Amino acid sequence: NAGVMQNPRHLVRRRGQEARLRCSPMKGHSHVYWYRQLPEEGLKFMVYLQKENIIDESGMPKERFSAEFPKEGPSILRIQQVVRGDSAAYFCASSPGAGGAETQYFGPGTRLLVL
Amino acid sequence: TQLLEQSPQFLSIQEGENLTVYCNSSSVFSSLQWYRQEPGEGPVLLVTVVTGGEVKKLKRLTFQFGDARKDSSLHITAAQPGDTGLYLCAGYPNSGYALNFGKGTSLLVTP
Repeated sequence: NAGVMQNPRHLVRRRGQEARLRCSPMKGHSHVYWYRQLPEEGLKFMVYLQKENIIDESGMPKERFSAEFPKEGPSILRIQQVVRGDSAAYFCASSPGAGGAETQYFGPGTRLLVL
Repeated sequence: TQLLEQSPQFLSIQEGENLTVYCNSSSVFSSLQWYRQEPGEGPVLLVTVVTGGEVKKLKRLTFQFGDARKDSSLHITAAQPGDTGLYLCAGYPNSGYALNFGKGTSLLVTP
């Protein structure tokens, strides 16, 4: 049973370019979460999606960041016009249900470096 | 806002020693989860505790959830170099579905 898959594992972009991070949840999981981990900080929640719906994007910056989870295919976190401060590890997690005692299973992450 | 405070931040011990890592909050959590993260990888779930006062054991690791569901601890007996890593606690506040993470305890076990 494959775990959460993320690609690419490493991504290098120049300032002003776009970054696209992909996440395939575990089989049978319809809930996807994106987190960001900055150096010396804990993981911070960004956005929670179910198939074709954004449920909670309260942790995502209002500008330049967007997320989707289409009916078919992986969830995508998109960062437009990247800046150096966007350099971080971005993790996707999935769960079979939402909230309460649900366990979230994490992918290996995408390390984004903005030059 | 950092709801979960972990201590100590760093811990370096020798193989065979025992240790305890703490995760504290002033907020109530419906559950707490402990993860271990190795460099360049994502967090891997160790355990989920749900009931106040609950104790769970995973080989040499013992996890406890506080009676008031505001804190948790992780105790490792006879630590081994393979235990080296970043230990993260995370929980759901009583409402919501976004995991709130502590900053982690970085553990180094030397032979």
